[in-house]
Amino acid sequence: QQQVKQSPQSLIVQKGGIPIINCAYENTAFDYFPWYQQFPGKGPALLIAIRPDVSEKKEGRFTISFNKSAKQFSLHIMDSQPGDSATYFCAASPWAGNMLTFGGGTRLMVKP
Amino acid sequence: NAGVMQNPRHLVRRRGQEARLRCSPMKGHSHVYWYRQLPEEGLKFMVYLQKENIIDESGMPKERFSAEFPKEGPSILRIQQVVRGDSAAYFCASSPPSESYEQYFGPGTRLTVT
Repeated sequence: QQQVKQSPQSLIVQKGGIPIINCAYENTAFDYFPWYQQFPGKGPALLIAIRPDVSEKKEGRFTISFNKSAKQFSLHIMDSQPGDSATYFCAASPWAGNMLTFGGGTRLMVKP
Repeated sequence: NAGVMQNPRHLVRRRGQEARLRCSPMKGHSHVYWYRQLPEEGLKFMVYLQKENIIDESGMPKERFSAEFPKEGPSILRIQQVVRGDSAAYFCASSPPSESYEQYFGPGTRLTVT
């Protein structure tokens, strides 16, 4: 019940395309859903996060869509650039101060 | 540098040796989390500490692993008698003293056991 399932495992898009990464969860106690971006050899960097009281959140080129009834959330990257090539992780947490449960990651490649 | 600091960045140990990984949280942060990332996998929670207290160690292996966050100094993750399966990247994250969802990660320590 603590799992967060992420798909796809890898994704290749052309520059300017809109990659979409999906996550699904079972634990209805989850209350916070962040996305992290990780470059090789680096630590995960917090990209954007959403709480269940809204269905969408946008920050720059990154948008989270959240479907509470389906227990799913997704990351959209508008006008993707080669510099966005990285591994993206979704995560979830039931309350502030609690551990994050991570998805398995999506390796994104944006071709020039 | 106001970010989370971890050292060493790379650590090589022979089987049976001890590994000590250090984490200094962001300035003003008093909550520290340790996560482990195996190759090509997501991060797995290990332990959550506040100053001088272990809050949640449900992800820690029962043997050989321990963690502390003393009143002064960095948090330490200690692995005794390392085995090849301990080879992984170990990440530390910190969050502010008030209840906060956001966790900020350090660059990690990559442990290789030979």
